[in-house]
Amino acid sequence: TQLLEQSPQFLSIQEGENLTVYCNSSSVFSSLQWYRQEPGEGPVLLVTVVTGGEVKKLKRLTFQFGDARKDSSLHITAAQPGDTGLYLCAGRVYKLSFGAGTTVTVRA
Amino acid sequence: EAQVTQNPRYLITVTGKKLTVTCSQNMNHEYMSWYRQDPGLGLRQIYYSMNVEVTDKGDVPEGYKVSRKEKRNFPLILESPSPNQTSLYFCASSRKGTGVETQYFGPGTRLLVL
Repeated sequence: TQLLEQSPQFLSIQEGENLTVYCNSSSVFSSLQWYRQEPGEGPVLLVTVVTGGEVKKLKRLTFQFGDARKDSSLHITAAQPGDTGLYLCAGRVYKLSFGAGTTVTVRA
Repeated sequence: EAQVTQNPRYLITVTGKKLTVTCSQNMNHEYMSWYRQDPGLGLRQIYYSMNVEVTDKGDVPEGYKVSRKEKRNFPLILESPSPNQTSLYFCASSRKGTGVETQYFGPGTRLLVL
């Protein structure tokens, strides 16, 4: 059983559309990170959130940490083909655990 | 350039033949770890090291060994590989292991055990 559940598992959208991926758990996290992994490469950190209710923006990406620090979401506005990749969330309870990821495909 | 390097990138071997995957980082990071990535299971930690000569088991340590004799290197050893160790392996490093620092990942090693 995964400590962090990510949904959806797969997401395919047209360029210009918006998308949201979710990361949920029954555990309270002291911090939560989002990574993006492209084929043939290792994950690359996008953001770290530590405060319940925190919202961070990175260009067209908006990250939100739930008030209770049990869940998080990643919203991409006007997706582009360059956003294609595997999005992983990672949360720390007493150690860092990763979700299984959401594979996002943005079609041109 | 700050980076984590792994070698080899691809490896095909047979059951029982000992192998080592090397990992090196040039950022003077104290914390290093090994993960395996399998479809539907995400990244699972195998072993980690808080500093030189300090290593500890992660979530899936069975069948693996590590050593940390130097700060920059953290090799992963499979003494007797089995087919269930076929996977994509990542080495990572960070300044510390508190979960708020940036963890830098290597490019991955794809291992096939026949």
